[in-house]
This record gives sequence, structure tokens and C-alpha cells, in this order.
Amino acid sequence: DAMVIQNPRYQVTQFGKPVTLSCSQTLNHNVMYWYQQKSSQAPKLLFHYYDKDFNNEADTPDNFQSRRPNTSFCFLDIRSPGLGDAAMYLCATSTDLSSGRGGNEQFFGPGTRLTVL
Amino acid sequence: KQEVTQIPAALSVPEGENLVLNCSFTDSAIYNLQWFRQDPGKGLTSLLLIQSSQREQTSGRLNASLDKSSGRSTLYIAASQPGDSATYLCAVLMDSSYKLIFGSGTRLLVRP
Repeated sequence: DAMVIQNPRYQVTQFGKPVTLSCSQTLNHNVMYWYQQKSSQAPKLLFHYYDKDFNNEADTPDNFQSRRPNTSFCFLDIRSPGLGDAAMYLCATSTDLSSGRGGNEQFFGPGTRLTVL
Repeated sequence: KQEVTQIPAALSVPEGENLVLNCSFTDSAIYNLQWFRQDPGKGLTSLLLIQSSQREQTSGRLNASLDKSSGRSTLYIAASQPGDSATYLCAVLMDSSYKLIFGSGTRLLVRP
């Protein structure tokens, strides 16, 4: 089945210790997204890739970086995690707005829950 | 600035009841609207997508409607079941944007 996969599902890191979360997709979608969702809050977009073009949201902290080495994979790097970065991190994919396919429906992975000690 | 509001924040109903979840948005220049389901500690499952030119979409016991001019969408769940218990989120995509803007969700409990 075509899907969005996130690893690991649970990640524990120490304050200030860099951490990388990964996302892969078998949908062959050209747009990939990273969202942050804190407890009892709505998901918040951090950034997205349109193919290899990186698009950062204006209020995304510099502490968050991303890499997309190919169509299938995307990584979220948190350079120096703080206690306030503990959250669920959700990866999503979609077709692009001009493709005429799927109307840009976004498909989400199961998420990675990050704990910062 | 687009704002998405969902009412009610929480809802508890007995099994078998038909129910309606509401979503409103302040800027009608949307590309589409998407309804999601989220189980505790899990990711989002897409339920229905309505393009801005459409009025409604149906999938099984779910029916979503869209009134773009008034900035409203509803998700109708027929014959609710305990397995429907989850948080339901609506999200809008603005024209020429890839950013989904979410409401805060409605937490649904269907009692056996």
C-alpha cells in the first residue's frame, strides 16, 4: 500500500543534543511537509519542499532544519532541542497544485513523538 | 489572516446517533477544505477533501458540505459508532498556497 512512513515513532533526546527525524513516502508525491503538533493543539506547518525547493514558514525557529535528498525521503533536524520542542512531528505529502491530480490532498504519516529530557 | 474555528470543542453522544461537526473560516479565498480524524497519539487520517468549487463529498457514513461564501463546512456522521471516537480536525488550503490552516478540532466520544 502507498503510504507515508515516519521513523522512529518515539524519540527521546537530551536538552541540546541534536536529533534527526525521518520520513519516507511511496506515493511519489513531489511536495513534502513537516508539521509540529503540541499537546491538545492544532498542527503547525514548519516548512515544505516543492521538489527540491525548500520553503520555510516565517515563524519557524532557526533551530529547525530540513533535508530532502530525493523524492522519497525527507529529514527534520533539530539542532539544539529545548524543552519547548517536545511535540509530535508529522510528515505529510501531496501532489502539487498544478498537477490536477488529487486536488492537493495531504496525506500524513503516523508521526514521531519527541521527548526532550 | 485566515482563522479556522471548530464548534463544539468536545461532544459526547450515545451510539447510533447522527451528529454534525461544524467548521468555520474567515477568508473565503480557499483552494480546498479537508477533514481529518486523529486518534490519541497518532497521525492524521484524511477523511474527505472538498474542492472550492464543490458543495459536498460523501464517503460511507460521512458527508461533508462546503459553503464557501459563508465560510462554513459541516461534517455529518450517520449512525455513530464507538469506533468513531476521535478528534476531528478541519483544515483549509488557501489559493496559491501549500499551507494547511487547521482548526483546533472537535473531540468526539461515542458511548456504547
